[in-house]
Amino acid sequence: IVLTQSPGTLSLSPGERATLSCRASQSVSSSYLAWYQQKPGRAPRLLIYGASSRATGIPDRFSGSGSGTDFTLTITRLEPEDFAVFYCQQYGSSPYTFGQGTKLEIK
Amino acid sequence: QVQLVQSGSELKKPGASVKVSCKASRYTFTAYGMNWVRQAPGQGLEWMGWINTNTGNPTYAQGFTGRFVFSLDTSVSTAYLQISSLKAEDTAVYYCARLPYSGWYFDYWGQGTLVTVSS
Repeated sequence: IVLTQSPGTLSLSPGERATLSCRASQSVSSSYLAWYQQKPGRAPRLLIYGASSRATGIPDRFSGSGSGTDFTLTITRLEPEDFAVFYCQQYGSSPYTFGQGTKLEIK
Repeated sequence: QVQLVQSGSELKKPGASVKVSCKASRYTFTAYGMNWVRQAPGQGLEWMGWINTNTGNPTYAQGFTGRFVFSLDTSVSTAYLQISSLKAEDTAVYYCARLPYSGWYFDYWGQGTLVTVSS
């Protein structure tokens, strides 16, 4: 399954709302879709699993939605520490593929 | 807090081998699988495969068969990635990432190990 993320780069200011998209080339079974955040020089961190469940310790300004082939990560009220690269990943069928990433940068 | 601590950076010559370790702590090692993920310089994430920590059975993604071997030492809660016949294009950061058998997402990650292949 090929995952295509858009936009490639998103330029926003702290306090604004971010909407990141992930589109799959075929339906993702059982909404087995996760989102990860990666900061420069750091390992990825799990944000969302099962398309909409927040991982342990993730603030509620992060939310995930979608099903089938279209998924969205929304970050309300951006904080300075939120700026990073975000990856979606499907784990419904092997191989467990990642999207190419969306870079969220400070405007 | 779950921890996955990986071995340090490696500089290898083409044709050599490398073994990366991932030591788990603060959870029951055999209750979760272990994934391996590659990230080439400036690139995205690529799933290499995973190993069942109960059976030791590895599953390799396409493109990671032959030269790549996943193994375990459950007595010390450690997973290993061995790469043989190293090529320049193997230069990357390699991550281990825990896999809940109930969920199959990657919930905790090691800090990454940079493997540089250069003559």
